Amino acid sequence: GNSVTQMEGPVTLSEEAFLTINCTYTATGYPSLFWYVQYPGEGLQLLLKATKADDKGSNKGFEATYRKETTSFHLEKGSVQVSDSAVYFCAYNFNKFYFGSGTKLNVKP
Amino acid sequence: NAGVTQTPKFQVLKTGQSMTLQCAQDMNHNSMYWYRQDPGMGLRLIYYSASEGTTDKGEVPNGYNVSRLNKREFSLRLESAAPSQTSVYFCASSERGGGGGRETQYFGPGTRLLVL
Repeated sequence: GNSVTQMEGPVTLSEEAFLTINCTYTATGYPSLFWYVQYPGEGLQLLLKATKADDKGSNKGFEATYRKETTSFHLEKGSVQVSDSAVYFCAYNFNKFYFGSGTKLNVKP
Repeated sequence: NAGVTQTPKFQVLKTGQSMTLQCAQDMNHNSMYWYRQDPGMGLRLIYYSASEGTTDKGEVPNGYNVSRLNKREFSLRLESAAPSQTSVYFCASSERGGGGGRETQYFGPGTRLLVL
């Protein structure tokens, strides 16, 4: 069936460290792929998206590339900040939305 | 442009009480959704409305009812609240839904519900 699998957290990093949060999906067809971010006490905000294979979504220093051959959409950032501490959700949309379970990121000064 | 708004922000209920969660969007979107978020379980779809006048069950509809009042508003009702319904509830909207839709969903700030 259709599903999204993302790495479990929490992920704890020091400021300026490199971030990778893995995401893979199972879907038929060619879905659109998303990363959402949820800051404490808030709703989900769209971080970036990609709509077709090999597309790279980017925003606020975060990047993710739509890899059809590996059905993956890993989130990366070269240098994280304390303000990036949040929960990150991978999702895809193909007729309906499927969300991963979320990965909590803690960035320490 | 407020996006998606939800009321109330926080609510405490006793078991058996009823309440309605309100959601409104000002983006002229056709589709609206209600999710619940529980620790370690991500987001689960309760109900959705692909367009004005239609509603459909999602993954966890039991114990809930919805009303798509007009294009802007989509409410979620708990007729007889249970402790298992303690959760954070999010409303979302998208330009259109179903039928191959790949558009982005936009979320409200959430309603935190505690059922004692």
